[in-house]
Amino acid sequence: GAVVSQHPSRVICKSGTSVKIECRSLDFQATTMFWYRQFPKQSLMLMATSNEGSKATYEQGVEKDKFLINHASLTLSTLTVTSAHPEDSSFYICSAGDLLTYEQYFGPGTRLTVT
Amino acid sequence: LAKTTQPISMDSYEGQEVNITCSHNNIATNDYITWYQQFPSQGPRFIIQGYKTKVTNEVASLFIPADRKSSTLSLPRVSLSDTAVYYCLVGERGGADGLTFGKGTHLIIQP
Repeated sequence: GAVVSQHPSRVICKSGTSVKIECRSLDFQATTMFWYRQFPKQSLMLMATSNEGSKATYEQGVEKDKFLINHASLTLSTLTVTSAHPEDSSFYICSAGDLLTYEQYFGPGTRLTVT
Repeated sequence: LAKTTQPISMDSYEGQEVNITCSHNNIATNDYITWYQQFPSQGPRFIIQGYKTKVTNEVASLFIPADRKSSTLSLPRVSLSDTAVYYCLVGERGGADGLTFGKGTHLIIQP
């Protein structure tokens, strides 16, 4: 199947700093990518839909000014957690939909810890 | 999106066949049923997708009755490495929309 990568795999940052997470589709072009967040022992929650060349669409309750999403190319979307706080510590997962195979491929996830 | 209901957890033993059932009473005509597997600290992995009757691939089978209000994921001869959380999702065929995950089923395989 198709491959989606994320970088970094884990990051620790101090409260108040910003962190950028990259999501890449390695062998297919993705006009749409998705960002999810998963807290310990909970399910994945969709945060936003990243559209290439246009603004992201955020789910209800997700602050767009805190979670900045940029989808500059057909293979790269970035999520920046601005002014991170300990409550933002979570597992962030991206995915990309392959419209040819109708499958959605997930990245390996990024573990963010804010101290 | 149709809501899904799955058992919170299941236990089985190596070499057994495991069947996980998912209820989706409000499934729409255009909806497909998709199952994902997730290991701790990893992204979900696609297992199988179907619309009706039976679908089989190299890792699992998916049984869907005629009314499509439920589905059963069948894992043949499980091993310890099949211990994971399994999610049943219902929605239009994947790719274009974000997915709504339920609580999933935590499958624990014992020796």
